[in-house]
Parts: sequence; structure tokens; C-alpha cells
Amino acid sequence: LAKTTQPISMDSYEGQEVNITCSHNNIATNDYITWYQQFPSQGPRFIIQGYKTKVTNEVASLFIPADRKSSTLSLPRVSLSDTAVYYCLVGVSEDSNYQLIWGAGTKLIIKP
Amino acid sequence: DTGVSQDPRHKITKRGQNVTFRCDPISEHNRLYWYRQTLGQGPEFLTYFQNEAQLEKSRLLSDRFSAERPKGSFSTLEIQRTEQGDSAMYLCASSLKGPRRGTQYFGPGTRLLVL
Repeated sequence: LAKTTQPISMDSYEGQEVNITCSHNNIATNDYITWYQQFPSQGPRFIIQGYKTKVTNEVASLFIPADRKSSTLSLPRVSLSDTAVYYCLVGVSEDSNYQLIWGAGTKLIIKP
Repeated sequence: DTGVSQDPRHKITKRGQNVTFRCDPISEHNRLYWYRQTLGQGPEFLTYFQNEAQLEKSRLLSDRFSAERPKGSFSTLEIQRTEQGDSAMYLCASSLKGPRRGTQYFGPGTRLLVL
């Protein structure tokens, strides 16, 4: 099972673009990369998922280089409400058990 | 609201008592997961069901913990003879089987405090 490494914390300011990078050196061929957001006293919320290159949705973009050993979550024009913990996870292929390994995540603090 | 509900949202109990939590997943999801989360840590996997079958159970899960999903729909997690170390947020998530199983949808959690 692939383990991920991400910064413990980051600060930024409203209106800025925030990039959070995650390392996953032992990602397997069939693994997808998934990012979650969690606010205090709530369950994690799915943000975005990708396999390679770039994925964009209404809230974020995910950049994955060709070797897939890292990924970068990009949050455009953050606001105070983006203050949360962000988790990067890699999954396993369809036929194997799917036990996600969650690290401590990146605590993102957005300042006014 | 993700569509996954958990009950109760909060539970305070005395050490040694039994507690049971319920999770109602998104109806078409055949996979259901239980996690435990303590302050400042990421969720810790406890167990996982595909339909009614419990396919995996964490080695960290002691014999005091048991989970069921009798009809492949809702699930219950029971903790017997609770200990203060069991105090945590218990999270339930559900997903579809498929290549994108990373898309787990989480409930709001049940916060347990053992006195």
C-alpha cells in the first residue's frame, strides 16, 4: 500500500493560489490519486481524483507528472473558508482490498 | 451533505459500557468503511464491507470491536467494554466498486467520549 508524504502545514492569504504537493514514491500502476478536505468535526470531503497529467473540476486542479511519484493540488483564489486539513491518498487496483492509508494531512490556514 | 448519515452524532459513556453506532450509506453504494480519527491525525482504517461481507478488518481492531452489515445496506459498529482510549471520532464512508474506489463519501461522524 502506497504511503504519501505532504507538508504538515501551510499558510496563505485570501485571493492567492495555493499549491500543496504530495509525494507517493511507491505508487502502483493501477493507483489513483485522491485528495480530500476536512473541516473540524466533520468527515473528509472528496475534492478531486486523477491518474495522470491534469484534472480540473469546479473547485481545484490536480497536476500529476509523468512518473506519478508526486501530485500537486492547486486551489485557485483561496478564501478564508478554504482553511482546512487536506489529505492526499493513493488507492489500489480494483481487485485488491482497498485500505487507504491516511497521513496527518496538510493543515492549510488562509489569512485575510 | 454527502448522503451518508451516522447516528448518533455524539455519545458520552462511562468506561466499561457498550456502545453501538449506526451508518446509513448512499443507497447504491456496495462498499462501506469504518474509520476512527483522533485529534490531529488522519482517519485510521477499522474495517470494510462489500455488500454484507466483511472483507477486511484492521489488526489494530481489538476483539471488543465488532461491525455488521446484515443486509448489505446500513451498518453498525459496536464497542464493548469501552475504554478511555476509545474516545475518538468514528467515521463511516461508502463507495461504489470500481477502478475509482478512492471516491469514498464520508458521513459526519460519531464523536465518542468515554469517561
